[in-house]
Formats: sequence, C-alpha cells, structure tokens
Amino acid sequence: AQKVTQAQTEISVVEKEDVTLDCVYETRDTTYYLFWYKQPPSGELVFLIRRNSFDEQNEISGRYSWNFQKSTSSFNFTITASQVVDSAVYFCALQTGANNLFFGTGTRLTVIP
Amino acid sequence: KAGVTQTPRYLIKTRGQQVTLSCSPISGHRSVSWYQQTPGQGLQFLFEYFSETQRNKGNFPGRFSGRQFSNSRSEMNVSTLELGDSALYLCASSLLGGIAYEQFFGPGTRLTVL
Repeated sequence: AQKVTQAQTEISVVEKEDVTLDCVYETRDTTYYLFWYKQPPSGELVFLIRRNSFDEQNEISGRYSWNFQKSTSSFNFTITASQVVDSAVYFCALQTGANNLFFGTGTRLTVIP
Repeated sequence: KAGVTQTPRYLIKTRGQQVTLSCSPISGHRSVSWYQQTPGQGLQFLFEYFSETQRNKGNFPGRFSGRQFSNSRSEMNVSTLELGDSALYLCASSLLGGIAYEQFFGPGTRLTVL
C-alpha cells in the first residue's frame, strides 16, 4: 500500500526565516515519483517539483530546495528566507505504477510579516 | 498553451440532486484524472480516463461516475448528492497518463451541498 505522511499540520514562521516541511512516504514499488505541490487560497495545485526514485540528488531552485533520502523514505522541502507569498498549504505526493497520486494531508505554512 | 480548465468554478446544490462537472485537458493530453479534496479526507483520487475508457478507479461509491469524450474532455457526475460530497473537485491532465508523465491540475470546482 502507498502512504504519504506529513506530520506537520501547521507551521508559522516570521518572514526571512528558513522553514523545512517534512514528508515521509511508504511504498513497495521500486519505481516511483515524488512530488511537492503548493495550494494557495485560490485552490489550484501548483506544481513545484517531481523527483523519480532513482535520482537521489538534492535539488535547489531559487529559495526552494529538496532533500530526497531513500534510506529514510523522506522527501523534505526547505524554503530559505521565507516570504509572505509563500503562505499556502503544501502537499507532498507519491505516484507509483498506476496514474493516481497519493497525497499527504498537507502542511499549512503561514509566513508572518 | 492553455492550461486545464474546469467548469463551473462554483456550484451550490441541495441533497438528493445530481451534478455534472466538466474538465478540458491541455491540448494533446489524453489522460484525465479526478480528485476530491475535503477537510476531513484530504485529497483523494476518484478515477482516471484515457482514450474514453476508465483506466483506474479510487475507492468511491457508485454515485460518482465519469466519462471522457473523443476530444479528451471529461465530465464527472455525482448522483443523489449528500452533504459529505461538498468538496473541491480537481481535475488533472497528463499526456498519456502513467508514471512517466506529469499531471497538470486545473483550478477546481468547489461544490457545496446544502
């Protein structure tokens, strides 16, 4: 069975602080993809990153970075120097052989100015 | 390239009614998936259509159904609405579906059942 756990329900940080959102996944498949999506109040899911199970290299995109560790089944997301516009709900998701995505319960990030 | 569009964006229905939601995928995409998002259950997969055939289905009652047309546009239907069906319904399109292809999400349809 597939499962994604985002233990942090809500996080509040002061602007310019760094923040890490945790994601732990479970799957028996050897080939899978991991995702992070951002959901602003408008509701649309905004794609942030996709990483396949064979690529454990960390990735940095501007203020965003991702740390993928297969040994701990984790795919954590760090925002450096957070901004008010980063306030949103962030979802981690897992995709295996079938097309459907398994989502975590999301982490609501509030950045306080 | 236009993104995924969903209509209507907002909908209010009463218990017992039925509703049809529409999703137009990105041009050229043949796979359309539907997801339900509620505060209690989070984001859950409903079903996926590819080339007018349902290819994958989540764990939802038969009141939830869908279809896909030859132009890849998809509709989902919920019959005999219940209060618990109030949710944001998201549609995602993918070139061919499956693990190798990324899914792009639409803005969603927010359904309220009174």
